[in-house]
Amino acid sequence: DQQVKQNSPSLSVQEGRISILNCDYTNSMFDYFLWYKKYPAEGPTFLISISSIKDKNEDGRFTVFLNKSAKHLSLHIVPSQPGDSAVYFCAARGVQGAQKLVFGQGTRLTINP
Amino acid sequence: NAGVMQNPRHLVRRRGQEARLRCSPMKGHSHVYWYRQLPEEGLKFMVYLQKENIIDESGMPKERFSAEFPKEGPSILRIQQVVRGDSAAYFCASSRDRQETQYFGPGTRLLVL
Repeated sequence: DQQVKQNSPSLSVQEGRISILNCDYTNSMFDYFLWYKKYPAEGPTFLISISSIKDKNEDGRFTVFLNKSAKHLSLHIVPSQPGDSAVYFCAARGVQGAQKLVFGQGTRLTINP
Repeated sequence: NAGVMQNPRHLVRRRGQEARLRCSPMKGHSHVYWYRQLPEEGLKFMVYLQKENIIDESGMPKERFSAEFPKEGPSILRIQQVVRGDSAAYFCASSRDRQETQYFGPGTRLLVL
């Protein structure tokens, strides 16, 4: 029962271009969404979040878009830099007030010079 | 300003032994979460604790696993009589309040021989 899905296991983007990572969810009770970035042998690092009452949140090169009717969110990184190469996890929270995060499987982003 | 600390970073156990994983939350954080990541998968929630209380253990296996967060000292995730299927990366996260962002530690990589 995969409530949060990242359907692209990997993505390759040229340096300087836009990276778009996608995430779909099935449970309409989720009220808060987060993106984490993870390097090998390290813990996930928080990137950006969005509440379900918003449809966009921006922080520097990172923008998250939320489409509640489609149960879809995306992370845009522009311009992409080599240091952005990592695994990106989408996470959701809030069913019945629960604080636990439900994670997607992750997308491995590779930025090519 | 230290982040979430976890130790050991790597732990090797033989089948049937006990594993103890420790987590010290960020300064000022009193909420601790444990997640497990199996190879090539996303993180899966295990347990959520506040000082001296287990708030949500819906992701904990019913047997052999236990967690505590005492008044003094780190949170401990304990796995008794480990089996090969327990081999995984175990991540701890902490937050200042239940609605706040969860910040992750570097993880403990458990290998059961």
